[in-house]
Amino acid sequence: GAGVSQSPRYKVAKRGQDVALRCDPISGHVSLFWYQQALGQGPEFLTYFQNEAQLDKSGLPSDRFFAERPEGSVSTLKIQRTQQEDSAVYLCASTQTGTGSGEQYFGPGTRLTVT
Amino acid sequence: AQSVTQLGSHVSVSEGALVLLRCNYSSSVPPYLFWYVQYPNQGLQLLLKYTTGATLVKGINGFEAEFKKSETSFHLTKPSAHMSDAAEYFCAVSASESGTYKYIFGTGTRLKVLA
Repeated sequence: GAGVSQSPRYKVAKRGQDVALRCDPISGHVSLFWYQQALGQGPEFLTYFQNEAQLDKSGLPSDRFFAERPEGSVSTLKIQRTQQEDSAVYLCASTQTGTGSGEQYFGPGTRLTVT
Repeated sequence: AQSVTQLGSHVSVSEGALVLLRCNYSSSVPPYLFWYVQYPNQGLQLLLKYTTGATLVKGINGFEAEFKKSETSFHLTKPSAHMSDAAEYFCAVSASESGTYKYIFGTGTRLKVLA
């Protein structure tokens, strides 16, 4: 595809529901990142994959958050038993390599609202 | 661990005036530094990046930034502001302190351009 895509673009969940957010990175990109962006804030790192390996998940706020990238391409961020504080925009980004110097290509984000 | 501080959450300049957005970073290892721009309802887009070599980096839309190691700064400038520059700007740092990279973003500076 032309860029990073994310689905759904908007998600409303009742407190306690589980949600799954999908990210399709640019084809062939090695690294994939998930971020949480609260209103008026910068993206906060959640987790990082290099191919299918999850190399860093230190930013996941609780064990209710889980991410996977089983075949090294598409990734899913799952949030179990959603809480109001989970309301935010969830951004996905991919880079061509895993060297840390590469440009991150961002998707449009999924806006999650927990009611 | 690395960190980024952006001074001034809101900056207003007149059209045609100099734009200066400040970014200071902290990293125990040589960092890679980035500036991203986010227009309303759009994803983040890379403006410019510093990896190695020349410390004055030129980016898109007439922006440039200078890496100053002694000041741990990477301020973003543009000689003459245009109305279309109104957006949110994020400084980011990437460094490997445990064998993997993650990108840490600042809290952002919202630039307003006055006619």
